[in-house]
Amino acid sequence: SQQGEEDPQALSIQEGENATMNCSYKTSINNLQWYRQNSGRGLVHLILIRSNEREKHSGRLRVTLDTSKKSSSLLITASRAADTASYFCATARMDSSYKLIFGSGTRLLVRP
Amino acid sequence: DAGVTQSPTHLIKTRGQQVTLRCSPKSGHDTVSWYQQALGQGPQFIFQYYEEEERQRGNFPDRFSGHQFPNYSSELNVNALLLGDSALYLCASSSSRDRYGYTFGSGTRLTVV
Repeated sequence: SQQGEEDPQALSIQEGENATMNCSYKTSINNLQWYRQNSGRGLVHLILIRSNEREKHSGRLRVTLDTSKKSSSLLITASRAADTASYFCATARMDSSYKLIFGSGTRLLVRP
Repeated sequence: DAGVTQSPTHLIKTRGQQVTLRCSPKSGHDTVSWYQQALGQGPQFIFQYYEEEERQRGNFPDRFSGHQFPNYSSELNVNALLLGDSALYLCASSSSRDRYGYTFGSGTRLTVV
């Protein structure tokens, strides 16, 4: 079963606008990661935020983490048509588990 | 520096058959994990291999088995295929020195008819 749930399930915006996706999870985590997937192919790692971090930036990406609410958000600024993809959050639990637990994803469409 | 390589890219099998998927990890990585991604869903963890042994397993039946070779490459075997096994199978490699630094392959699209 999925640990995380992403919101919204689908998002359509105009090029140049910002896109915000949210992720909620259930258990204590070591870190949370965001991935991008184009057209049902492989996953591309975007950013990792550790449980003791609250915010992280990478280029046009900004990720926040609120461990008290068990939630994270991914902000893509100044979106481009090439950002069209599915975005997944994945959590690595605090225990000795080695697996990533993925949410169901947000499908982002950036209209030119 | 080659990333994760998976083969084949696409595969069509008949219900009841067996299939083997292959994965070559990124250079420098010694750990391989396998995930199943059904259409419209997020990936689900099948198992992870390290030092040629299954280190952790997700909630998948024994029909799913794997192997890791001394060169760290890995195979995923699925026996007695069911229609519900149709999915994208993703391989992810990582290093024991950086447990959370995953690199995913492009996946194998398996269709069971």
